[in-house]
Amino acid sequence: KAGVTQTPRYLIKTRGQQVTLSCSPISGHRSVSWYQQTPGQGLQFLFEYFSETQRNKGNFPGRFSGRQFSNSRSEMNVSTLELGDSALYLCASSLWMDQETQYFGPGTRLLVL
Amino acid sequence: AQSVAQPEDQVNVAEGNPLTVKCTYSVSGNPYLFWYVQYPNRGLQFLLKYITGDNLVKGSYGFEAEFNKSQTSFHLKKPSALVSDSALYFCAVRDETGGFKTIFGAGTRLFVKA
Repeated sequence: KAGVTQTPRYLIKTRGQQVTLSCSPISGHRSVSWYQQTPGQGLQFLFEYFSETQRNKGNFPGRFSGRQFSNSRSEMNVSTLELGDSALYLCASSLWMDQETQYFGPGTRLLVL
Repeated sequence: AQSVAQPEDQVNVAEGNPLTVKCTYSVSGNPYLFWYVQYPNRGLQFLLKYITGDNLVKGSYGFEAEFNKSQTSFHLKKPSALVSDSALYFCAVRDETGGFKTIFGAGTRLFVKA
């Protein structure tokens, strides 16, 4: 099976712009989670989607949003980018929720100038 | 609230020696515990998990971890370290009272010296 794919892999934006990141989960996986990884804050949970519904949300401002489509693919959007949004954004998928192992994509590295 | 602590930012070990990467957790309900490894410029790779059952869990690449409920710990171990084990290791926890959000520790960088 193909693994979790994320596009684009690298992105450079300027402050105030918005960005959309995409994640395609492993075939058959219905749960998708997003994380932000930075050197200072480590891995921070953004949100989790299951069957097109947001089930959990982390402590991020409303500028961060996401959605999941009927084929389980997910997108996350960051509006009005700030310098501090520069990070590696990781997507993870799992078969179900709860006990299931999450499988991570390679990430999208976002640089905000 | 859920939390995970990895008390060591860095662990140094000589190749061939046993290694331990420490993790302690705090949850209200029954914990589901995970270890992941991250190599440079890569996503996280799953190593092993504890859900229920035997306290000693065996995982990928010769790693194992021991669940200790009384000490709320889930330390990662390997009997003989390899240089290729050098990477960033993350402990994570989920529980139903946390809405099954996954909370990660800050990570421990493992250096294995030849």
